[in-house]
Amino acid sequence: LAKTTQPISMDSYEGQEVNITCSHNNIATNDYITWYQQFPSQGPRFIIQGYKTKVTNEVASLFIPADRKSSTLSLPRVSLSDTAVYYCLVGRRINSGGGADGLTFGKGTHLIIQP
Amino acid sequence: SAVISQKPSRDICQRGTSLTIQCQVDSQVTMMFWYRQQPGQSLTLIATANQGSEATYESGFVIDKFPISRPNLTFSTLTVSNMSPEDSSIYLCSVGGHGTEAFFGQGTRLTVV
Repeated sequence: LAKTTQPISMDSYEGQEVNITCSHNNIATNDYITWYQQFPSQGPRFIIQGYKTKVTNEVASLFIPADRKSSTLSLPRVSLSDTAVYYCLVGRRINSGGGADGLTFGKGTHLIIQP
Repeated sequence: SAVISQKPSRDICQRGTSLTIQCQVDSQVTMMFWYRQQPGQSLTLIATANQGSEATYESGFVIDKFPISRPNLTFSTLTVSNMSPEDSSIYLCSVGGHGTEAFFGQGTRLTVV
């Protein structure tokens, strides 16, 4: 599985847009990029998944350039409750069939939102 | 989606003892996964538990230390055996992963004294 590299930590303020970039230089042709969010004392939860260009859902947007060697998770108008660790992973597409494989987590980005 | 319940949520144990962590899922799943999250660290996959077969362990984890049971399609246990302070971590049960959306339990915070 492709290794991912993210900033260890980021700070921002309420109401700002936050962009977290992840590098995955060795991403395979069939790999998708997936982001998970982990609050303290909870397990990670899925945020978004994408393959190329832009994906948007009710929580975030994911921007993936043409070479797919990096991706950027964008959180619009963050609040204090967005303080969490954000993990970028690469692997098979959700609902690709063939069951599930265990996840390989990188170090993640600890995002701290201040008032 | 899947709802995963873990018991206990936390425990403080004496070194040399064992603790069994239970994981209950609200739906039938073929594969369940166990992770460890050491203090301030990311998650590390311990093993994959398939119903009706032996668990598959990742490098650095062995069955004698982390025996796993998977008696049916909704339940699994992980035992942390002969504990030492280095085993103090959060242990998380999960269903899904690459190929499906992953869902995690709240975790079991273990402190070994």
